[in-house]
Amino acid sequence: GAVVSQHPSWVICKSGTSVKIECRSLDFQATTMFWYRQFPKQSLMLMATSNEGSKATYEQGVEKDKFLINHASLTLSTLTVTSAHPEDSSFYICSATPGQRETQYFGPGTRLLVL
Amino acid sequence: AQSVTQLDSQVPVFEEAPVELRCNYSSSVSVYLFWYVQYPNQGLQLLLKYLSGSTLVKGINGFEAEFNKSQTSFHLRKPSVHISDTAEYFCAVSDRGGGFKTIFGAGTRLFVKA
Repeated sequence: GAVVSQHPSWVICKSGTSVKIECRSLDFQATTMFWYRQFPKQSLMLMATSNEGSKATYEQGVEKDKFLINHASLTLSTLTVTSAHPEDSSFYICSATPGQRETQYFGPGTRLLVL
Repeated sequence: AQSVTQLDSQVPVFEEAPVELRCNYSSSVSVYLFWYVQYPNQGLQLLLKYLSGSTLVKGINGFEAEFNKSQTSFHLRKPSVHISDTAEYFCAVSDRGGGFKTIFGAGTRLFVKA
């Protein structure tokens, strides 16, 4: 089946630094990728939708200047948390679709801890 | 707009017993329906999905779900659970006619006891 990877799997950083998370589709071309955030014991909240070669579409309440998304190729999207603060600590999950509306493959997630 | 309600936040059950995890949705348009499973510190794995056709959908690991349009429900069932089924289960919907956006329920924690 289709595989989506995320790197790193976990990261600890100091407050004020920026962190980049990569999401890759390993065996298919992803026309669209999604970034989710999940707090402990809660559901996934969609942060943004990313299409290759165009600007990401952010959900209401998500700061686009804080969560920078780049979808540079059909197999790679990156999420950069700029000037991270402890409240940004969370589990970030990406997903990718090859273009079929009903098919979405999820990455294993990246756990971010901001000290 | 769509919304998803998972009626039980936690479901404890003994091993080899049957289980049903409930999911109701609301939408003004036709939707696709999904169940995902999440093991600790991992991403989501698709259990099954309803796109069209037969309302009884069979998925992986012995799970099945039935789409009930009149009750706007998509309950997940398994006739006999194993310890390894202990995980978080998410029901989700996406709009057939719109973009790829998927809305998730709050999740149900299935805890299988020996």
